[in-house]
Amino acid sequence: GAVVSQHPSRVICKSGTSVKIECRSLDFQATTMFWYRQFPKKSLMLMATSNEGSKATYEQGVEKDKFLINHASLTLSTLTVTSAHPEDSSFYICSAAPELAVYNEQFFGPGTRLTVL
Amino acid sequence: EDKVVQSPLSLVVHEGDTVTLNCSYEVTNFRSLLWYKQEKKAPTFLFMLTSSGIEKKSGRLSSILDKKELFSILNITATQTGDSAIYLCAVEFTGGGNKLTFGTGTQLKVEL
Repeated sequence: GAVVSQHPSRVICKSGTSVKIECRSLDFQATTMFWYRQFPKKSLMLMATSNEGSKATYEQGVEKDKFLINHASLTLSTLTVTSAHPEDSSFYICSAAPELAVYNEQFFGPGTRLTVL
Repeated sequence: EDKVVQSPLSLVVHEGDTVTLNCSYEVTNFRSLLWYKQEKKAPTFLFMLTSSGIEKKSGRLSSILDKKELFSILNITATQTGDSAIYLCAVEFTGGGNKLTFGTGTQLKVEL
């Protein structure tokens, strides 16, 4: 149990286009999902906390209008990178916290590698 | 500002060696410390520590937390090539809504 999927796993796009990444909790409901960004050989940097039915909470320095987050249901959150540029190229990972978690059990998705040409 | 620092940043050992990875933190209202292993994709959960001095163990891996000195260690005994990965330490604080602050990570490579 506790599987989180991400789609797509890899995407290459041209500069200026928008890219949508989906994060789904497959066998549990998640009121909270998190979006991270990871550069090569670096740690995970939290970008935003996504709460079902409300606006996402962004970390300092993360542009809300650039990284649009929608948490439409208890099993799906989406991250849209708008007008992507080469510097947005990175590994994006989501995690989901089960609705009825006893502890802070975050389960991570497999990640999406975005390359912007 | 909350901070989590891991050391070393990377190390290379031979199979059979024992390694100790360190994680120190400065977090207001500490709640728990978690260790993850990341190979090629998603981090996988190893341990969650909330109390000082209680060792958690899983096979060749063990971890302990010192809330007075604000650090945790992750030990791996009899290392194998399959232990090669990035080991991430993350800290959760109360009132943070399950938010995790990750450390810099330690890249471990185990050679034959």
